Amino acid sequence: DAKTTQPNSMESNEEEPVHLPCNHSTISGTDYIHWYRQLPSQGPEYVIHGLTSNVNNRMASLAIAEDRKSSTLILHRATLRDAAVYYCILRDRDNNDMRFGAGTRLTVKP
Amino acid sequence: NAGVTQTPKFRILKIGQSMTLQCTQDMNHNYMYWYRQDPGMGLKLIYYSVGAGITDKGEVPNGYNVSRSTTEDFPLRLELAAPSQTSVYFCASSYGGNHNYGYTFGSGTRLTVV
Repeated sequence: DAKTTQPNSMESNEEEPVHLPCNHSTISGTDYIHWYRQLPSQGPEYVIHGLTSNVNNRMASLAIAEDRKSSTLILHRATLRDAAVYYCILRDRDNNDMRFGAGTRLTVKP
Repeated sequence: NAGVTQTPKFRILKIGQSMTLQCTQDMNHNYMYWYRQDPGMGLKLIYYSVGAGITDKGEVPNGYNVSRSTTEDFPLRLELAAPSQTSVYFCASSYGGNHNYGYTFGSGTRLTVV
């Protein structure tokens, strides 16, 4: 399985944008880029996913590099409730399971 | 709409005891999954099921068993509990298995084996 590399931790100030990077240099043409986050003492929750084009939803934006070897999850205005571990995951289009790495722990300072 | 419900929330087992972690979903999802999460680590897939009567092993299946007799329920069985099985267990479900379907997770069961 193609792997992802994320920083262990990042900090942000409240109400500022946050850019969470993910490297996936061995991504294959059929891999989709998924992001999940895990709030303290909760199960992970889906954030966003994409293949080649940038994607937006109510939670976040996903910017995908043209060569698809990296991507960035963008939180436009971080709130204290966004403090969580963020996971970048590659999923083959027909894959029946999803493999999590260690993720990036985001701290949001008031 | 309850989503994915896991019981119990907490449990302490003695070495060698057995137990079943319950998971039920009310979203009519075909796919269900069991993960474990050790402290400070990401989630690891134990078993998954693509529909009633069908189960498959994930990354770390040893020491666990599952069954899927109904669409709604996917219990995880620990037969001979060991300290290495101390972890937080998450159940998840999805409508389909491919990239288009996000997972819905339960709130977890925290298991300690002493």
